[in-house]
Amino acid sequence: DIQMTQSPSSLSASVGDSVTITCRASQGISSWLAWYQQKPEKAPKSLIYAASSLQSGVPSRFSGSGSGTDFTLTISSLQPEDFATYYCQQYNSYPWTFGQGTKVEIK
Amino acid sequence: EVQVVDSGGDLVQPGGSLRLSCAASGYTFSSYDMNWVRQAPGKGLEWVSFISRSSSTIYYADSVKGRFTISRDNARNSVYLQMNSLRAEDTAVYYCARVGSAIDYWGQGTLVTVSS
Repeated sequence: DIQMTQSPSSLSASVGDSVTITCRASQGISSWLAWYQQKPEKAPKSLIYAASSLQSGVPSRFSGSGSGTDFTLTISSLQPEDFATYYCQQYNSYPWTFGQGTKVEIK
Repeated sequence: EVQVVDSGGDLVQPGGSLRLSCAASGYTFSSYDMNWVRQAPGKGLEWVSFISRSSSTIYYADSVKGRFTISRDNARNSVYLQMNSLRAEDTAVYYCARVGSAIDYWGQGTLVTVSS
């Protein structure tokens, strides 16, 4: 199985800050990488697919990059509604696997 | 508008069975693969099972293989997860999820609690 490792596990930031979350795959997954946002007691929301493509309706302050084993999610100019937990997920091969999550908290 | 609605979660005793349902609307259901993903209380996301649009390809996580069965009825725009021999560690919110460009739409989740 492909292991996905996110860092950091949590971070504190202020509204307006730019934040970057890193995701590393245990083996190459080309660009078969997605990012999801989850708020407490809510279903995940899909943000990015194919490492860097935004799902429909996702604000342009979200961006993704990377290929192979190393990926990043960047949120530029953090907004109050962006405080949440973010997960990366590989869909290169089954079993699909998720990172452990990164909680973005208000400083 | 695409909608995915999960249902069927309940409190069940260890060793018991439960069937989850997922009703989809707002798109051509038979054109999309589907997954189930779960989340134990306070934990991260765990992929559970996949079914292709024609049901010809099915996958399971090792943790549920031999106990869970995924199926779909394209005439009813629905996907199901039959869960047998339930264990305490199966306690989680279960999400039905559409596979478009990766997972693009999620159900709201349905809670399964396995406890005596």
